[in-house]
Amino acid sequence: DIQMTQSPSSLSASVGDRVTITCRASQSIGSYLSWYQQKPGKAPKLLIYVASNLQAGVPSRFSGSGSGTDFTLTISGLQPEDFATYCCQQSYTTPRTFGQGTKVEIK
Amino acid sequence: EVQLVESGGGLVKPGGSLRLSCAASGFTFSNAWMSWVRQAPGKGLEWVGRIKSKADTGTTDYAAPVKGRFTISRDDSKNTLYLQMNSLKTEDTAVYYCTTDSMDRRAFDIWGQGTMVTVSS
Repeated sequence: DIQMTQSPSSLSASVGDRVTITCRASQSIGSYLSWYQQKPGKAPKLLIYVASNLQAGVPSRFSGSGSGTDFTLTISGLQPEDFATYCCQQSYTTPRTFGQGTKVEIK
Repeated sequence: EVQLVESGGGLVKPGGSLRLSCAASGFTFSNAWMSWVRQAPGKGLEWVGRIKSKADTGTTDYAAPVKGRFTISRDDSKNTLYLQMNSLKTEDTAVYYCTTDSMDRRAFDIWGQGTMVTVSS
């Protein structure tokens, strides 16, 4: 199975900060990487697909980059509603696998 | 409105069975590949398995921890996805989400609200 490793596991940031979360795959997955946002008690929400494509309705402050094994999610100008857990997921092959998540907390 | 609504969760004893349902609306369910994803309390997301559309063979794939115990099926006439869970273990305790497994986005783009399954004696 392809292992997905995110860093950091958690971070503290302030409103307006630029936040970067990284995700590394245990083998090349091309660009088949998605990012999700999850708030407590809620279902995950798709933010980015195929590494850098913004899902409809997602604010443009979210962006994704990378290919192969290394990927990045960037939030440019953190907003109060962005405090949540973010996780990556590969769709290169089955079993689909997720990163362990990065919790973004208020500083 | 595009929507997925899960039902059927609850408390079950180890070794027991449970069937979850996921009612879809607002999109062409018969064309959709569908997956189940679960999340144990305080843990990350774990893919459970997938069923392709009948036009794409309708075959299923499962994660190793559930293979042989869980079965995913679909009834396109009812726009409903199912997850039959047998021989349940305490480690199957989780919120279970159904989701569309988008072929063009290669991502899980529509999610239900989830249904809680608790396996405990």
